[in-house]
Amino acid sequence: SQQGEEDPQALSIQEGENATMNCSYKTSINNLQWYRQNSGRGLVHLILIRSNEREKHSGRLRVTLDTSKKSSSLLITASRAADTASYFCATAPNQAGTALIFGKGTTLSVSS
Amino acid sequence: DTEVTQTPKHLVMGMTNKKSLKCEQHMGHRAMYWYKQKAKKPPELMFVYSYEKLSINESVPSRFSPECPNSSLLNLHLHARQPEDSALYLCASSQEGSGVSYEQYFGPGTRLTVT
Repeated sequence: SQQGEEDPQALSIQEGENATMNCSYKTSINNLQWYRQNSGRGLVHLILIRSNEREKHSGRLRVTLDTSKKSSSLLITASRAADTASYFCATAPNQAGTALIFGKGTTLSVSS
Repeated sequence: DTEVTQTPKHLVMGMTNKKSLKCEQHMGHRAMYWYKQKAKKPPELMFVYSYEKLSINESVPSRFSPECPNSSLLNLHLHARQPEDSALYLCASSQEGSGVSYEQYFGPGTRLTVT
């Protein structure tokens, strides 16, 4: 079952622009993770933010987490054509052990 | 080595023959996962193995049977497929720690086509 909902479903931007994707979830979590998937390939882990953290950075990525609103956002700054991919948030519900539940994803297209 | 390998890359099957998907990791991870992903959809969890024991089965039809022969290997045996089984099958692994989720490392997937 899916718990995360990403918004928007699709996003098209120019190189150099910033891209923001949002994720909402339903149950309490111990952490939230973001993954990238290039077309038809495996997923790559981008960043993990724990439930007691509010913001985290990794290179051009910035993730925020608001547990009161059950939402997270992923910001990619100065986007590149190589950032074109699908981005998924994945939640680790408190009662689910190691299992992740993936949201529907945002498809990002960056044109040069 | 942070790689998860999956074989084969592609598999075309009729509805009655039996095949196996294989997954291997050498990161010392004790949790391994099978996901099914349809086109333009997110991965859906099928099975979780923790310390070589099946810990989660997400109500997967019995024509899919997982196996974890040792801590590095994970197999998915397929019997009597249905057309809706055509999908990308992803294997992943992670650390295992008392119900806490860690980042998962994914393989490139096996694309199954059922004819």
